[in-house]
Amino acid sequence: EAGVVQSPRYKIIEKKQPVAFWCNPISGHNTLYWYLQNLGQGPELLIRYENEEAVDDSQLPKDRFSAERLKGVDSTLKIQPAELGDSAVYLCASSNGGTGGRETQYFGPGTRLLVL
Amino acid sequence: QQQVKQSPQSLIVQKGGISIINCAYENTAFDYFPWYQQFPGKGPALLIAIRPDVSEKKEGRFTISFNKSAKQFSLHIMDSQPGDSATYFCAASGAPPSYGKLTFGQGTILTVHP
Repeated sequence: EAGVVQSPRYKIIEKKQPVAFWCNPISGHNTLYWYLQNLGQGPELLIRYENEEAVDDSQLPKDRFSAERLKGVDSTLKIQPAELGDSAVYLCASSNGGTGGRETQYFGPGTRLLVL
Repeated sequence: QQQVKQSPQSLIVQKGGISIINCAYENTAFDYFPWYQQFPGKGPALLIAIRPDVSEKKEGRFTISFNKSAKQFSLHIMDSQPGDSATYFCAASGAPPSYGKLTFGQGTILTVHP
């Protein structure tokens, strides 16, 4: 079974440029998460989707970040414009729900973003 | 507000030794406590998890000890191996507003010397 797929794996951009990350969750997983992981830190949740609905986006900086999950499968996270402080690893995870929020979350390898 | 505090930041043990990583939480609504293992260039992967209705859970060489009254839990790795060298994160989630949201500790870099 294929795991969570993310692309690109690495991205280098100049500040003020836009950038987008793509995630394909494990087949059949209705819950999708985007996390931000700064160097030497644990992941922090940005947004959680149940199917195509964003049910928790309280930690998403909405002035520059946006996300979508069309048709409840793939998801895209966008930053526009990027700032130096956005340099981090962006992780996507998915789960199949059904256990009250305590189900296993499966993480992709992440996209490492460097903003110059 | 950091709701899950993890220590130590780094840990070096010899092959065959015991590795112990500790976490403390603040939110009493948390009721699910997983540990994740992350290798360089990879995403975190679930290692073992516990619910607060038990004080200990063991899976192979990995054991979680849970102290609900102290709001602390720890990971013990018995017979540590070089292949266990990785970053370990404790996490917690539970009832709303934490429902489905994993709050991670800051991580512990474990190095096991052969």
